Amino acid sequence: GQNIDQPTEMTATEGAIVQINCTYQTSGFNGLFWYQQHAGEAPTFLSYNVLDGLEEKGRFSSFLSRSKGYSYLLLKELQMKDSASYLCAPMDSNYQLIWGAGTKLIIKP
Amino acid sequence: TAGITQAPTSQILAAGRSMTLRCTQDMRHNAMYWYRQDLGLGLRLIHYSNTAGTTGKGEVPDGYSVSRANTDDFPLTLASAVPSQTSVYFCASSETSGGHTDTQYFGPGTRLTVL
Repeated sequence: GQNIDQPTEMTATEGAIVQINCTYQTSGFNGLFWYQQHAGEAPTFLSYNVLDGLEEKGRFSSFLSRSKGYSYLLLKELQMKDSASYLCAPMDSNYQLIWGAGTKLIIKP
Repeated sequence: TAGITQAPTSQILAAGRSMTLRCTQDMRHNAMYWYRQDLGLGLRLIHYSNTAGTTGKGEVPDGYSVSRANTDDFPLTLASAVPSQTSVYFCASSETSGGHTDTQYFGPGTRLTVL
């Protein structure tokens, strides 16, 4: 079956760095998306990886290892507004997104 | 541009009643999707449409129906609501589908409570 595993909750300090891990098992693979979702709001796109390696976009970076079925989202210089849930979503062979339950990130001052 | 709009924002519905959740996008995207999001679970795909005039079933289609008469609108209908359909419903769209990895963009959601 298809499965996504991410930590349920993480806590970090303002100004610090945090890494949110995601492991996945899917039927086929067509890349992996990360979305951010603030409480009570819609998910918004953060990043997309289809090849192995690190993609950097400002304070956020995303890494992919296809052979290990593993990705992480790295957030640097954390700000209070980064308090949100982060959703890992690989795309399967049918080009459908398989969504994890998300990691709730709590930022403390 | 407005992007994707959904209506209503929230609704309380008596079990057994029918309801249509509305979704409209102004980005001229070909593909549209309906998801439900429940606490502790990932987003689950209910129905999708790759292009106007076509629809397909997702992971949890039972109890729901959709139509895609034109590019912009993708309504979701609950024919006879049950309490297990209490959820937050998100509509999304992407430029293309069916073999493409286009980013999906989400509407603000509809919070539905079935009593």
